[in-house]
Amino acid sequence: GIQVEQSPPDLILQEGANSTLRCNFSDSVNNLQWFHQNPWGQLINLFYIPSGTKQNGRLSATTVATERYSLLYISSSQTTDSGVYFCAVFNQAGTALIFGKGTTLSVSS
Amino acid sequence: DGGITQSPKYLFRKEGQNVTLSCEQNLNHDAMYWYRQDPGQGLRLIYYSQIVNDFQKGDIAEGYSVSREKKESFPLTVTSAQKNPTAFYLCASSIRDGFYEQYFGPGTRLTVT
Repeated sequence: GIQVEQSPPDLILQEGANSTLRCNFSDSVNNLQWFHQNPWGQLINLFYIPSGTKQNGRLSATTVATERYSLLYISSSQTTDSGVYFCAVFNQAGTALIFGKGTTLSVSS
Repeated sequence: DGGITQSPKYLFRKEGQNVTLSCEQNLNHDAMYWYRQDPGQGLRLIYYSQIVNDFQKGDIAEGYSVSREKKESFPLTVTSAQKNPTAFYLCASSIRDGFYEQYFGPGTRLTVT
Protein backbone atom coordinates (compact mmCIF):
# COMPACT_ATOMS: atom_id res chain seq x y z
CA GLY A 1 0.00 0.00 0.00
CA ILE A 2 0.90 3.65 -0.13
CA GLN A 3 3.40 4.84 2.47
CA VAL A 4 3.33 8.39 3.82
CA GLU A 5 6.36 9.93 5.50
CA GLN A 6 6.40 13.30 7.23
CA SER A 7 9.37 15.39 8.26
CA PRO A 8 10.60 16.66 10.57
CA PRO A 9 8.98 14.59 13.34
CA ASP A 10 9.36 17.45 15.82
CA LEU A 11 9.78 21.18 15.38
CA ILE A 12 10.35 23.86 18.02
CA LEU A 13 9.91 27.50 17.06
CA GLN A 14 9.85 30.93 18.59
CA GLU A 15 6.72 32.94 17.97
CA GLY A 16 7.00 34.82 14.70
CA ALA A 17 9.22 32.26 12.94
CA ASN A 18 8.36 30.58 9.65
CA SER A 19 8.43 26.84 9.00
CA THR A 20 8.02 24.24 6.27
CA LEU A 21 6.63 20.77 6.88
CA ARG A 22 7.12 18.06 4.28
CA CYS A 23 5.04 15.04 3.28
CA ASN A 24 6.41 12.38 0.93
CA PHE A 25 4.28 9.56 -0.46
CA SER A 26 5.37 6.36 -2.13
CA ASP A 27 2.92 6.18 -5.03
CA SER A 28 0.78 8.42 -7.18
CA VAL A 29 -2.24 9.76 -5.34
CA ASN A 30 -5.50 11.34 -6.39
CA ASN A 31 -5.83 13.71 -3.50
CA LEU A 32 -4.29 14.76 -0.23
CA GLN A 33 -5.38 16.49 2.96
CA TRP A 34 -3.48 18.42 5.63
CA PHE A 35 -4.82 18.50 9.19
CA HIS A 36 -3.93 20.18 12.46
CA GLN A 37 -4.65 18.14 15.58
CA ASN A 38 -5.11 20.44 18.54
CA PRO A 39 -4.20 19.51 22.13
CA TRP A 40 -7.74 18.17 22.70
CA GLY A 41 -7.40 15.75 19.80
CA GLN A 42 -9.69 17.48 17.33
CA LEU A 43 -8.56 17.18 13.72
CA ILE A 44 -9.00 20.46 11.92
CA ASN A 45 -9.05 20.49 8.13
CA LEU A 46 -6.39 22.78 6.72
CA PHE A 47 -6.14 21.92 3.03
CA TYR A 48 -7.61 19.53 0.50
CA ILE A 49 -5.07 19.77 -2.27
CA PRO A 50 -4.44 17.26 -5.09
CA SER A 51 -1.96 19.53 -6.84
CA GLY A 52 -0.83 23.13 -7.04
CA THR A 53 -0.80 25.72 -4.28
CA LYS A 54 -3.48 26.96 -1.92
CA GLN A 55 -3.30 29.66 0.73
CA ASN A 56 -5.39 30.35 3.81
CA GLY A 57 -4.14 33.25 5.90
CA ARG A 58 -0.71 32.49 7.31
CA LEU A 59 -0.81 28.93 6.00
CA SER A 60 -0.22 27.69 2.51
CA ALA A 61 0.27 24.28 0.94
CA THR A 62 1.84 23.04 -2.26
CA THR A 63 1.44 19.56 -3.72
CA VAL A 64 3.64 18.32 -6.55
CA ALA A 65 1.89 15.06 -7.35
CA THR A 66 4.31 14.06 -10.12
CA GLU A 67 7.19 14.19 -7.63
CA ARG A 68 5.13 12.64 -4.80
CA TYR A 69 5.39 15.30 -2.15
CA SER A 70 3.47 18.08 -0.48
CA LEU A 71 4.67 21.00 1.64
CA LEU A 72 2.85 22.97 4.33
CA TYR A 73 4.15 26.47 5.04
CA ILE A 74 3.41 28.27 8.28
CA SER A 75 4.42 31.92 8.40
CA SER A 76 4.67 34.18 11.45
CA SER A 77 3.90 31.28 13.77
CA GLN A 78 1.77 31.80 16.87
CA THR A 79 1.49 29.77 20.05
CA THR A 80 -1.94 28.61 18.90
CA ASP A 81 -0.27 26.89 15.95
CA SER A 82 1.16 24.31 18.35
CA GLY A 83 -0.03 20.75 17.91
CA VAL A 84 0.44 17.89 15.49
CA TYR A 85 0.21 18.38 11.74
CA PHE A 86 -0.85 15.38 9.68
CA CYS A 87 -0.66 14.74 5.99
CA ALA A 88 -3.04 12.09 4.64
CA VAL A 89 -3.43 10.70 1.13
CA PHE A 90 -6.31 8.72 -0.31
CA ASN A 91 -5.84 5.04 -1.03
CA GLN A 92 -6.21 3.91 -4.64
CA ALA A 93 -9.91 3.17 -4.25
CA GLY A 94 -10.65 6.51 -2.61
CA THR A 95 -12.26 4.77 0.36
CA ALA A 96 -9.83 5.78 3.09
CA LEU A 97 -7.16 8.24 4.09
CA ILE A 98 -3.65 6.94 4.79
CA PHE A 99 -1.95 9.07 7.41
CA GLY A 100 1.66 9.89 8.10
CA LYS A 101 2.91 9.90 11.69
CA GLY A 102 2.71 13.65 11.90
CA THR A 103 4.96 16.59 12.74
CA THR A 104 4.69 17.88 16.31
CA LEU A 105 5.06 21.66 16.36
CA SER A 106 5.74 23.61 19.54
CA VAL A 107 5.66 27.40 19.33
CA SER A 108 6.84 29.35 22.36
CA SER A 109 6.34 33.04 23.13
CA ASP B 1 -24.65 24.13 13.21
CA GLY B 2 -23.68 21.26 10.94
CA GLY B 3 -21.07 18.87 12.16
CA ILE B 4 -20.07 15.52 13.55
CA THR B 5 -20.62 14.61 17.17
CA GLN B 6 -19.11 11.73 19.09
CA SER B 7 -20.03 10.54 22.53
CA PRO B 8 -18.86 10.04 25.12
CA LYS B 9 -15.65 12.07 25.11
CA TYR B 10 -14.00 9.68 27.61
CA LEU B 11 -14.93 6.05 28.24
CA PHE B 12 -13.55 3.60 30.76
CA ARG B 13 -14.28 -0.11 30.64
CA LYS B 14 -13.09 -3.31 32.20
CA GLU B 15 -11.42 -5.92 30.06
CA GLY B 16 -13.88 -8.40 28.58
CA GLN B 17 -16.74 -5.90 28.17
CA ASN B 18 -18.11 -4.78 24.84
CA VAL B 19 -18.53 -1.03 24.42
CA THR B 20 -20.30 1.07 21.78
CA LEU B 21 -19.07 4.46 20.61
CA SER B 22 -21.54 6.87 19.09
CA CYS B 23 -21.04 8.94 15.93
CA GLU B 24 -23.71 11.25 14.51
CA GLN B 25 -23.53 13.72 11.62
CA ASN B 26 -26.01 16.28 10.32
CA LEU B 27 -24.03 17.17 7.19
CA ASN B 28 -26.18 14.97 4.96
CA HIS B 29 -23.05 13.02 4.03
CA ASP B 30 -23.38 9.58 2.48
CA ALA B 31 -20.00 8.17 3.57
CA MET B 32 -18.82 7.65 7.13
CA TYR B 33 -15.60 6.26 8.57
CA TRP B 34 -14.07 5.05 11.82
CA TYR B 35 -10.37 5.54 12.52
CA ARG B 36 -8.18 4.57 15.43
CA GLN B 37 -5.22 6.61 16.71
CA ASP B 38 -2.52 5.25 19.01
CA PRO B 39 -0.03 7.53 20.83
CA GLY B 40 2.51 9.09 18.50
CA GLN B 41 0.90 7.57 15.45
CA GLY B 42 -1.30 8.58 12.58
CA LEU B 43 -4.84 7.34 12.14
CA ARG B 44 -5.75 3.91 10.77
CA LEU B 45 -9.05 2.92 9.19
CA ILE B 46 -11.27 0.45 11.06
CA TYR B 47 -14.49 0.45 9.01
CA TYR B 48 -16.20 2.62 6.44
CA SER B 49 -19.70 2.91 5.07
CA GLN B 50 -20.52 4.30 1.65
CA ILE B 51 -24.28 4.24 2.09
CA VAL B 52 -26.98 3.18 4.53
CA ASN B 53 -27.09 -0.56 5.27
CA ASP B 54 -23.68 -1.12 3.75
CA PHE B 55 -20.21 -1.11 5.31
CA GLN B 56 -16.76 -2.47 4.56
CA LYS B 57 -13.77 -3.52 6.65
CA GLY B 58 -10.74 -1.29 6.79
CA ASP B 59 -7.16 -2.21 7.61
CA ILE B 60 -7.70 -3.08 11.29
CA ALA B 61 -11.30 -4.35 11.56
CA GLU B 62 -10.60 -7.38 13.76
CA GLY B 63 -12.38 -7.08 17.12
CA TYR B 64 -14.72 -4.30 15.95
CA SER B 65 -18.23 -4.21 14.53
CA VAL B 66 -20.41 -1.45 13.06
CA SER B 67 -23.92 -0.80 11.82
CA ARG B 68 -25.39 1.82 9.48
CA GLU B 69 -29.16 1.79 9.89
CA LYS B 70 -29.56 5.56 9.43
CA LYS B 71 -27.69 7.99 7.22
CA GLU B 72 -26.84 10.17 10.21
CA SER B 73 -25.47 7.47 12.51
CA PHE B 74 -22.53 5.05 12.38
CA PRO B 75 -21.91 3.45 15.81
CA LEU B 76 -18.78 1.41 16.49
CA THR B 77 -18.71 -1.52 18.91
CA VAL B 78 -15.39 -2.50 20.42
CA THR B 79 -15.74 -6.14 21.33
CA SER B 80 -13.87 -8.22 23.89
CA ALA B 81 -12.04 -9.83 20.95
CA GLN B 82 -10.09 -6.62 20.31
CA LYS B 83 -6.72 -7.31 21.92
CA ASN B 84 -5.58 -3.72 22.47
CA PRO B 85 -8.72 -1.56 22.63
CA THR B 86 -7.25 1.39 24.54
CA ALA B 87 -6.94 4.16 21.95
CA PHE B 88 -8.40 7.40 20.60
CA TYR B 89 -11.27 6.75 18.19
CA LEU B 90 -12.27 9.27 15.54
CA CYS B 91 -15.29 9.25 13.30
CA ALA B 92 -15.32 11.03 9.94
CA SER B 93 -17.69 11.69 7.09
CA SER B 94 -17.56 12.86 3.48
CA ILE B 95 -20.25 13.87 1.04
CA ARG B 96 -19.68 10.53 -0.66
CA ASP B 97 -16.84 8.05 -0.98
CA GLY B 98 -14.19 8.40 -3.62
CA PHE B 99 -11.58 11.08 -2.90
CA TYR B 100 -13.94 13.63 -1.33
CA GLU B 101 -12.76 15.70 1.59
CA GLN B 102 -13.22 13.99 4.95
CA TYR B 103 -14.29 15.84 8.10
CA PHE B 104 -13.69 14.54 11.60
CA GLY B 105 -15.56 14.49 14.88
CA PRO B 106 -13.93 15.39 18.22
CA GLY B 107 -13.09 11.78 19.11
CA THR B 108 -13.63 9.36 22.00
CA ARG B 109 -10.78 8.28 24.28
CA LEU B 110 -11.36 4.67 25.34
CA THR B 111 -9.40 3.18 28.23
CA VAL B 112 -9.75 -0.52 29.00
CA THR B 113 -8.19 -1.92 32.15
